Amino acid sequence: KNEVEQSPQNLTAQEGEFITINCSYSVGISALHWLQQHPGGGIVSLFMLSSGKKKHGRLIATINIQEKHSSLHITASHPRDSAVYICAVSHNGGATNKLIFGTGTLLAVQP
Amino acid sequence: DSGVTQTPKHLITATGQRVTLRCSPRSGDLSVYWYQQSLDQGLQFLIQYYNGEERAKGNILERFSAQQFPDLHSELNLSSLELGDSALYFCASSPSGRAGDTQYFGPGTRLTVL
Repeated sequence: KNEVEQSPQNLTAQEGEFITINCSYSVGISALHWLQQHPGGGIVSLFMLSSGKKKHGRLIATINIQEKHSSLHITASHPRDSAVYICAVSHNGGATNKLIFGTGTLLAVQP
Repeated sequence: DSGVTQTPKHLITATGQRVTLRCSPRSGDLSVYWYQQSLDQGLQFLIQYYNGEERAKGNILERFSAQQFPDLHSELNLSSLELGDSALYFCASSPSGRAGDTQYFGPGTRLTVL
């Protein structure tokens, strides 16, 4: 079993829909990261969370430490949101910030 | 633009060869990370450096080595290349290298081994 699990693996939505991507992890963590990877490869860090909720524009990320679960929400989705969304965790322990990655969610938003 | 640069962007080489990938971190960041992204394994951590010293090691093959230089740029050396080494190699940097730092990713180097 992977230490970081994401669902769904693939998601197709219509423009304007509310989207949720889920991430569960099985290890102690210092922080959870949501990353976005567009076709062509570049990776962008969207959020880093250790508790609660963060919002940036139409993106919202939440984390429940007790349940070891995080969600990424996209409100009023747009075709430009089409990308792979990757959940990653930094292990507890402080001295290193190496990331363990989920397998990603491929999102396609259709006009 | 993350401020992290990687060269080259693309690299095509043959089995058995050796290549060097280069990464320059964001100005002020002391820690550099190397990751490999392949179709079958996804993204995997290879190695982390902080201010010239190795800080953490992941599933890095013995044929691979890395270093971070005094000017903080880093190089990943891949030798005796095999077909299975074909992948995207990302470098990332962060200020302190401690858990909880945001990591800033470079554009990646796409390695194709023929």
